[in-house]
Amino acid sequence: QVTLRESGPALVKPTQTLTLTCTFSGFSLSTNGMCVSWIRQPPGKALEWLALIDWDDDKYYSTSLKTRLTISKDTSKNQVVLTMTNMDPVDTATYYCARKRGPASGEFDSWGQGTLVTVSS
Amino acid sequence: QSVLTQPPSVSGAPGQRVTISCTGSSSSIGAGYDVHWYQQLPGTAPKLLIYGDTNRPSGVPDRFSGSKSGTSASLAITGLQAEDEADYYCQSYDSSLSGSVFGGGTKLTVL
Repeated sequence: QVTLRESGPALVKPTQTLTLTCTFSGFSLSTNGMCVSWIRQPPGKALEWLALIDWDDDKYYSTSLKTRLTISKDTSKNQVVLTMTNMDPVDTATYYCARKRGPASGEFDSWGQGTLVTVSS
Repeated sequence: QSVLTQPPSVSGAPGQRVTISCTGSSSSIGAGYDVHWYQQLPGTAPKLLIYGDTNRPSGVPDRFSGSKSGTSASLAITGLQAEDEADYYCQSYDSSLSGSVFGGGTKLTVL
């Protein structure tokens, strides 16, 4: 059974750096074709893809946010970490991690429950 | 502004059929990249509903079906049920952005 769980602070101040951790089970990120992505959803708004890391440690970022994002993995701990710098109130959202297998155009077949991050002073 | 365009809302009576469109561009759906659909019930994470344009994961009723043509894709739901009331999102890949892209979401109301 595949599970993913996001963890991190519920509240961050403007200009701070956000660090989120995705802890997963039921698969290995060292398996060929396996990937984990971060996706966010502001309250009442649409999903937005943020970043992806694959089994080969290749990393891909949203073009609009790439200067602020860093994704990394710890295969031994089954964790993927996302950092986002210079947080702003518009970054208030539920942040999800999700698994993707196969090609870049593949689907996200398993999702975490999400973690709500509020940016406010 | 989402890269993929969906209608903000659709509605239908129980038992009816509704469709939700998803329009991309020559660098996304029109380039042949797969389209996937997700259902998001209120307060929950998205759930994969259709993958690879037309395929249903195990456990998804055959009332849900997907199709694709040119730069657009569609999700059809037949035999509408009250439990289908949710937000629906399409997703694909955009080569000009080198990343996944989502639609703006469509809220389905069962009258």
